[in-house]
Formats: sequence, C-alpha cells, structure tokens
Amino acid sequence: GQNIDQPTEMTATEGAIVQINCTYQTSGFNGLFWYQQHAGEAPTFLSYNVLDGLEEKGRFSSFLSRSKGYSYLLLKELQMKDSASYLCALSGGSYIPTFGRGTSLIVHP
Amino acid sequence: EPEVTQTPSHQVTQMGQEVILRCVPISNHLYFYWYRQILGQKVEFLVSFYNNEISEKSEIFDDQFSVERPDGSNFTLKIRSTKLEDSAMYFCASSPLRTGGHNEQFFGPGTRLTVL
Repeated sequence: GQNIDQPTEMTATEGAIVQINCTYQTSGFNGLFWYQQHAGEAPTFLSYNVLDGLEEKGRFSSFLSRSKGYSYLLLKELQMKDSASYLCALSGGSYIPTFGRGTSLIVHP
Repeated sequence: EPEVTQTPSHQVTQMGQEVILRCVPISNHLYFYWYRQILGQKVEFLVSFYNNEISEKSEIFDDQFSVERPDGSNFTLKIRSTKLEDSAMYFCASSPLRTGGHNEQFFGPGTRLTVL
C-alpha cells in the first residue's frame, strides 16, 4: 500500500519563499509528482522526481530523498496567483499516480 | 496549445439514472485516464485505457462503471446506475506515453456530477 502525508494548509506572504513538505510510505517506487490545483480547476503538472536531489524549474523547485521517503516543493518569489492546492502524488508499483490530500497554500499581500 | 476537453461541464442527474461523461483527449496521445475528486477530498484514480482496452483500474471502478472509445477522438465514462456518493468532479487525462519520467498527464477541466 501507499501512504502520503502533507500539511493541510499553509500561509505565506507575497514575495516570500515557502516549502511544502511531503512524506510517504510505499512498497514500490517509480517517482514522485507535484501538481498544482486551483479551486474548481484541474490539476496541472509541476514536476516529477525519480532520483534524489533538487530539480529547479523557474520559481519552483522539487526535492526528493528516497531513503527518507521525503519530498518538498519550494516556491520562490511568491505571487498571489500561487494561492492553490499543491498535490504530492506517488508513482508506486504501477505508473499511475496516487495523490495525497494536498496542501492549500494561501498567499497574502 | 492542444488541450483535453470535457463535456458537459456540469451534469445533474437523479439517483439510479445512467450518465455518460465525455472527453476528447489530445490528438496524438495514446494513454487515457479517468479520475474523480469528491468535494474537499483527494484526487482518486479510476481507470486507464490503452490500445482500446483497460490497462489498469482501481477498486472504485466496479461493474457500475465502463469506458469506451467509440471513435478516433472521444473517450467516455459511463456510470450505469448513479448513486448519491458518485457526486464528484470527474477528470479525464491523457498522456503521449505511459506515465513515468516526464510523460506527464494532461488533465481536462472536469465534469461536475451531481446526483440527487
């Protein structure tokens, strides 16, 4: 089976940096996704980590430690439009992502 | 930029009725998926489809559900006899190859199903 834990809600200030953590337990591992989901909309792909380490893509970076069952999503230079849910999703024995409950990020001025 | 489309955007039905949710995946994609998200809960996988057959399905995808690719463009999800607990947002997704690496899934905007 698989289990994914991430904080329910976080708040941050416009222009700041925020780190959203995700811990997981799984019997098989292919990779870890991060998706962004605005309220009432579909998830959109942010990143996919297979190997340990940090992958940077513009203002967003994602980190993975397979030995610790841990990942984080780092958002820099926060903008109001970054207010959304951030979904950690695990690709385990199959390649189908299993989603966590998501972290609701509120960015305030 | 190509995108996944879904119709209708909102479907209201009576309990026990059949509904068909429609999706048009991105044209050169080979893998198709249905997910659902009950309000306030996590996104849940229902089924994946490749080469005109189901490749994987979850325990949610029971005999009340079926999928079909009736022509070269549409991909449908049918719920035979809807229950109150089927009320959710249903997302269709497609990917060019089997998900993995950077073969990301592209999600449609969703159909909100309300069962009364």
